[in-house]
Amino acid sequence: GDSVTQMEGPVTLSEEAFLTINCTYTATGYPSLFWYVQYPGEGLQLLLKATKADDKGSNKGFEATYRKETTSFHLEKGSVQVSDSAVYFCALSASGGSYIPTFGRGTSLIVHP
Amino acid sequence: DTGVSQDPRHKITKRGQNVTFRCDPISEHNRLYWYRQTLGQGPEFLTYFQNEAQLEKSRLLSDRFSAERPKGSFSTLEIQRTEQGDSAMYLCASNIRLGALPSTDTQYFGPGTRLTVL
Repeated sequence: GDSVTQMEGPVTLSEEAFLTINCTYTATGYPSLFWYVQYPGEGLQLLLKATKADDKGSNKGFEATYRKETTSFHLEKGSVQVSDSAVYFCALSASGGSYIPTFGRGTSLIVHP
Repeated sequence: DTGVSQDPRHKITKRGQNVTFRCDPISEHNRLYWYRQTLGQGPEFLTYFQNEAQLEKSRLLSDRFSAERPKGSFSTLEIQRTEQGDSAMYLCASNIRLGALPSTDTQYFGPGTRLTVL
């Protein structure tokens, strides 16, 4: 079945450091790929998405590129802020079915001043 | 605020009691989803509705769980005879689906209901 694998956290960085959170997936067909963010005490919010190979999703300085050849969708940000501290979830929504998303386990990001 | 809302935000109950949660989706959204999230895990799909029809249920959804969406708007999730293993965050999400293809795969989540079973 479909699955998403994320790097384990927590990821701890200093402010203005470069961020990478790795995500790889297994799916049949051509899934859409997502990053969701969950701030403490809140529900998940869509951060960015990509619907086909080589698409780059971007939002709030974050970006991720849909790499079909490596089945990856790594999240990157050039300079993190304390306010980026949250849990980040990679997800896929497979085509040809009910489009119910499959989520990774989440990666906690802690940014220190 | 026109986002997805859930009520209550927190529920503490004793083992064996029944609990019911409510979700109000974004008003024009015809699809509504329920997920369970435990500590350190991503959301796990439980069930979803398109309008008032319950179209799919996960194997995770035991017969103690039941969900309804009677008028195609708000939904309720009931857990009967709660067990300590039911302690989790219960998330609701909604989106819109038109015809055979999604107009958007994006899910819009509510803040969740945290259930603690003592």
